[in-house]
Amino acid sequence: DVQMTQSLSYLAASPGESVSISCKASKSISNYLAWYQQKPGEAYKLLIYSGSTLQSGTPSRFSGSGSGTDFTLTIRSLEPEDFGLYYCQQYYEKPLTFGSGTKLEIK
Amino acid sequence: EVKLLESGGGLVQPGGSMRLSCAASGFTFTDFYMYWIRQPAGKAPEWLGFIRNKANGYTTEYNPSVKGRFTISRDNTQNMLYLQMNTLRAEDTATYYCAREAAISVYVMDDWGQGASVTVSS
Repeated sequence: DVQMTQSLSYLAASPGESVSISCKASKSISNYLAWYQQKPGEAYKLLIYSGSTLQSGTPSRFSGSGSGTDFTLTIRSLEPEDFGLYYCQQYYEKPLTFGSGTKLEIK
Repeated sequence: EVKLLESGGGLVQPGGSMRLSCAASGFTFTDFYMYWIRQPAGKAPEWLGFIRNKANGYTTEYNPSVKGRFTISRDNTQNMLYLQMNTLRAEDTATYYCAREAAISVYVMDDWGQGASVTVSS
C-alpha cells in the first residue's frame, strides 16, 4: 500500500498569515493526490485534486503543488473559517490511502 | 443539492454483523461510483471500497483489509447504498462515511455524508 505521511499533526496560525501543509507518499504517485478539509460537525470537503486543481467552490487562497512523492497544500491569507483538519489522499493505486491529517488551529 | 445520509450505526458485539445504509439524493444515483470510508477516532480515514455506476455494471472493489467480511451494494430504485459488515472486531470501531465519486476525477470523493458511528464491543 502507498503510505501517506503528513508529518505535521498540528499547526496554529493567525488570520492573514499563510500556511503550508505537507504530504509525502511512500512511492511516486505522479499527481494523483487530493486534499480534503474536515470541520467538526460537517462533511468532508474536497478542496483540490490532481495535486493542484481547485475543486469548484474552493477559495482561490488555497493552492496545491507537488508531484511524485512530495505535495504541499498552501493557504494564503488565512480566514477564521479555515480551521479544521486537512487530509491528503492518493489515488494512484488501490487501496486508496489517506494521510493521518494536519489540524489547523486559528490563533 | 447533493445529500448523503448514513444510518444504521450503533453498538454491536464482537463477531456480530451490522448493515449501514446511505440515502442519496440530489443527483442521478446510477451515474456515480459510490464509496465507503471509515475513520477510527483520532486516526486516518480508511477507504473500504466502492461500487461502480450503471455504465460499469455496478461491480465492486474492496480494500484487502476488509475484503471477504464487508460487502457493498446499492438499490438503484431507492437511491440507497449499503455496507454489510460481518464478523465484526473491536478494530472496526469507527465512524463510517458514504461518499460520491467526483464527476471530475475517478477515485476522488466530492460529496460525503456526515457519518455513522459503529462501536464493536461486548
